[in-house]
Amino acid sequence: GQSLEQPSEVTAVEGAIVQINCTYQTSGFYGLSWYQQHDGGAPTFLSYNALDGLEETGRFSSFLSRSDSYGYLLLQELQMKDSASYFCAGLLRATNKLIFGTGTLLAVQP
Amino acid sequence: SQTIHQWPATLVQPVGSPLSLECTVEGTSNPNLYWYRQAAGRGLQLLFYSVGIGQISSEVPQNLSASRPQDRQFILSSKKLLLSDSGFYLCAWSHRIPAYEQYFGPGTRLTVT
Repeated sequence: GQSLEQPSEVTAVEGAIVQINCTYQTSGFYGLSWYQQHDGGAPTFLSYNALDGLEETGRFSSFLSRSDSYGYLLLQELQMKDSASYFCAGLLRATNKLIFGTGTLLAVQP
Repeated sequence: SQTIHQWPATLVQPVGSPLSLECTVEGTSNPNLYWYRQAAGRGLQLLFYSVGIGQISSEVPQNLSASRPQDRQFILSSKKLLLSDSGFYLCAWSHRIPAYEQYFGPGTRLTVT
């Protein structure tokens, strides 16, 4: 089956850099998306990697390595408002479905 | 611009009662539509998705069903709720292509008592 694993929790200090990893168990993904979800809210789209390598969007960057079945989200210059859950999601080939990872709760401390 | 509406925001229902959650999208045509459920502190589980009117794919066997009576309307239903149906229900839409960017509604927090 398809599964995407993430660390359950990560803690970092305001202004620091944090990396959230995502490893997956299927080769059936077109690419990897990342979503942010604040407590009680709806997920919002952050980025998508269709190809191997690094994609940068402001303070956020996302990386994908298909050969390693691995990706990560890099958050720089952390702010308190970045405290949220972050989910990777694989876009399943030949479908319109996203398979979401287990999620990582990021706590940014002052 | 596109918007997605979902209601109600919260719902408390007794075991065995029926359920109907509605989701509507504005500002786009022929969207893919999705229903997800999220247990507390957990990831998103895809329940149903639809690529067109009357076309529903079920991902998880359960006592829930979905319907798409109009292009931009998606309904989640149950005839008899179970305690295990409690959770945060999220509706989402995407363009046909690409489907990797999904737009989520505000969600319905369902508690079955």
